[in-house]
Amino acid sequence: KQEVTQIPAALSVPEGENLVLNCSFTDSAIYNLQWFRQDPGKGLTSLLLIQSSQREQTSGRLNASLDKSSGRSTLYIAASQPGDSATYLCAGSGANNLFFGTGTRLTVIP
Amino acid sequence: DTAVSQTPKYLVTQMGNDKSIKCEQNLGHDTMYWYKQDSKKFLKIMFSYNNKELIINETVPNRFSPKSPDKAHLNLHINSLELGDSAVYFCASSQDWQRSSYEQYFGPGTRLTVT
Repeated sequence: KQEVTQIPAALSVPEGENLVLNCSFTDSAIYNLQWFRQDPGKGLTSLLLIQSSQREQTSGRLNASLDKSSGRSTLYIAASQPGDSATYLCAGSGANNLFFGTGTRLTVIP
Repeated sequence: DTAVSQTPKYLVTQMGNDKSIKCEQNLGHDTMYWYKQDSKKFLKIMFSYNNKELIINETVPNRFSPKSPDKAHLNLHINSLELGDSAVYFCASSQDWQRSSYEQYFGPGTRLTVT
């Protein structure tokens, strides 16, 4: 069964700093890896989806990478802003399911 | 336009009651899901429906019964509510359940509190 871990559980950075969020998974036979953002009391917003055949995806200041062989994915956020403060979740897909990590709570300090 | 919507947003009820949560998506997706997010913020899938047919049913008590009247709706009915059912329930949808097109879109969640 797929297990997804995210480290660190919480992260605080000053505004403008670049940062990396980490996600690791136990079963390299994932079909894709999805990164979400969750604001307090809100639902999940899909940020990036990386297919198993891809190594990275970019959207604006966000860049996500996928290394299936090592069971890792990273989410790189450039020039962080206070509006980036949220919980970031990664999820690996099995045959027809998503396995979520426990998230990294990011705080960007103005 | 809201892509995936859920009602109600908040639900407070007593133990033993029966309640329903409704979900609708206007994305034209074939597959819909119910997830439970516990007090530790861990998200876990409960059910998945593709074109009104059940394709995933994780180890969820029989008190939980999903119903899909059409592929745009997936409702969750809960019988004999227990304290441990308190959580945030998220509905989601995706284009289909095939692996290659698996991006999921989530609703805003329903916070259920059982007293």
